[in-house]
Amino acid sequence: GQQLNQSPQSMFIQEGEDVSMNCTSSSIFNTWLWYKQDPGEGPVLLIALYKAGELTSNGRLTAQFGITRKDSFLNISASIPSDVGIYFCAGADSGTYKYIFGTGTRLKVLA
Amino acid sequence: NAGVMQNPRHLVRRRGQEARLRCSPMKGHSHVYWYRQLPEEGLKFMVYLQKENIIDESGMPKERFSAEFPKEGPSILRIQQVVRGDSAAYFCASSRKGGFDSPLHFGNGTRLTVT
Repeated sequence: GQQLNQSPQSMFIQEGEDVSMNCTSSSIFNTWLWYKQDPGEGPVLLIALYKAGELTSNGRLTAQFGITRKDSFLNISASIPSDVGIYFCAGADSGTYKYIFGTGTRLKVLA
Repeated sequence: NAGVMQNPRHLVRRRGQEARLRCSPMKGHSHVYWYRQLPEEGLKFMVYLQKENIIDESGMPKERFSAEFPKEGPSILRIQQVVRGDSAAYFCASSRKGGFDSPLHFGNGTRLTVT
C-alpha cells in the first residue's frame, strides 16, 4: 500500500530559526496538503499544492510540490513559539479519492 | 462561517456498548471523510462518503463499524459492541467536491474512550 514518510520525526529549534521538513511517497501524487495539529484539536490546513514544481507561500510558511511528484517540502521561516505543534503532510493520487497522511513532524520551539 | 462540527467531543463507552459519532460538514460541502488517530500517530483513512453514497470504505473494519451520510442531517460513524482497541480520536473532514483540487477541512474530533 501507499506510504508517506515524513522527516524529521521531531525537532527542537530556537525561536527565530528557520525550519525545514519533508515528506516522501512510494508512489506519485496529484495533490499535496500540509496541516498543523495542536493538542486536542483537529488538523488545520496550511497549504495546498496541485502541480509538480509548484511553490506556494502562506505568511512565513512555504511549501513545494516536488518535480518527481513523489515528495513535498515545508519550510517555516523565523519560527515563533506558537509554531509548536505537529505538522502533517497528506497526498492523494489519481487512483483513489482518499488522502494518505504522513506520520507527522513534532516541532518544539525554545524561546 | 461554521467549520466542520463534530459531536460529542468526548465519548466514554463500556465494552459492548454502541458509539455514535456525528459530523456536520462545512456549509456547501457535500463530501465527508472519516479518519482515526491513535496517540502519537498520524491519521488513518476509514471511509469517504457523498450524500447517500459510500464512495470508498476500504479503511473501515469489516465488522462492527458502519458509516452513513443521509440526504438530510449529519454523517454518522457507528461502532457497535465497542472494544478497548476502539479507543482513539475520530476526525471528520469535508470538502466542497470530490477530486484533487478540493482540500479537506477537519473538525476537532471525537475522543472515544472504551472502559
